[in-house]
Amino acid sequence: EAGVTQSPTHLIKTRGQQATLRCSPISGHTSVYWYQQALGLGLQFLLWYDEGEERNRGNFPPRFSGRQFPNYSSELNVNALELEDSALYLCASSPGQNYGYTFGSGTRLTVV
Amino acid sequence: AQSVTQPDIHITVSEGASLELRCNYSYGATPYLFWYVQSPGQGLQLLLKYFSGDTLVQGIKGFEAEFKRSQSSFNLRKPSVHWSDAAEYFCAVGEAYKYIFGTGTRLKVLA
Repeated sequence: EAGVTQSPTHLIKTRGQQATLRCSPISGHTSVYWYQQALGLGLQFLLWYDEGEERNRGNFPPRFSGRQFPNYSSELNVNALELEDSALYLCASSPGQNYGYTFGSGTRLTVV
Repeated sequence: AQSVTQPDIHITVSEGASLELRCNYSYGATPYLFWYVQSPGQGLQLLLKYFSGDTLVQGIKGFEAEFKRSQSSFNLRKPSVHWSDAAEYFCAVGEAYKYIFGTGTRLKVLA
C-alpha cells in the first residue's frame, strides 16, 4: 500500500512569490492535514480538509490556503512568500478523526 | 489550553542501554496520545498510540509507552537501544481533528 506522498521534495522560491505543495493521501483516507515544522517553532497545525471541504485552520494568515480534490489529494498554496515561511511542510492523512495520522516525508520550502 | 511537554530536549544513551523519554500532557478529557519518530529530513512515523483500554501500549521497533492518568504522563520506553534509533521523538495529544505536538526530544546513541 502506498503511503502519503508529497511533492516536490524541495522547493526554493523568492520572497513575494507563490508556492504550491501537493499531497496524495493513502487510498481510502478522506482527511488530509497540513502542518508546518519551522526551526524553533515545532509542529504547527495549518489546515484540515475532509471530503473536499476545509474543516478547520490553524493560526496562520489567509495567504496560506489550499484545497482538496475529488480524489482526496490536496494542495497547499502559500502566497506572497516571506522568509519566515521557510520550513518543512508535512501532510498527513487519516480515515477519520482520532485514527492516528500517517505522515508524508514533507516538502522543504526555502524562501530566499 | 491543551499542551504537551517533553522536558528533555536532548538525550544521549549508549547502544544496548535502556531508554525512557518523558511526555506530560494537559488535557481536560481522556486523551488520545501518540508517539512519533522523525529521522533527519524525513516525515514523522507513528510508533504507537493510546486511545483507551490497557495503559501499557506496544508499538513498532520494540517501543512501548505507559499511560498514567494520575501523573498526566505518557512516557516512551525501550529496553535496549540500537544505533538506528537515533532520531527525534515527538509526543502528541489528539484534540478532535488536530494534534498538539511536544517540542521533541533528540536522541543520540553512542556506539
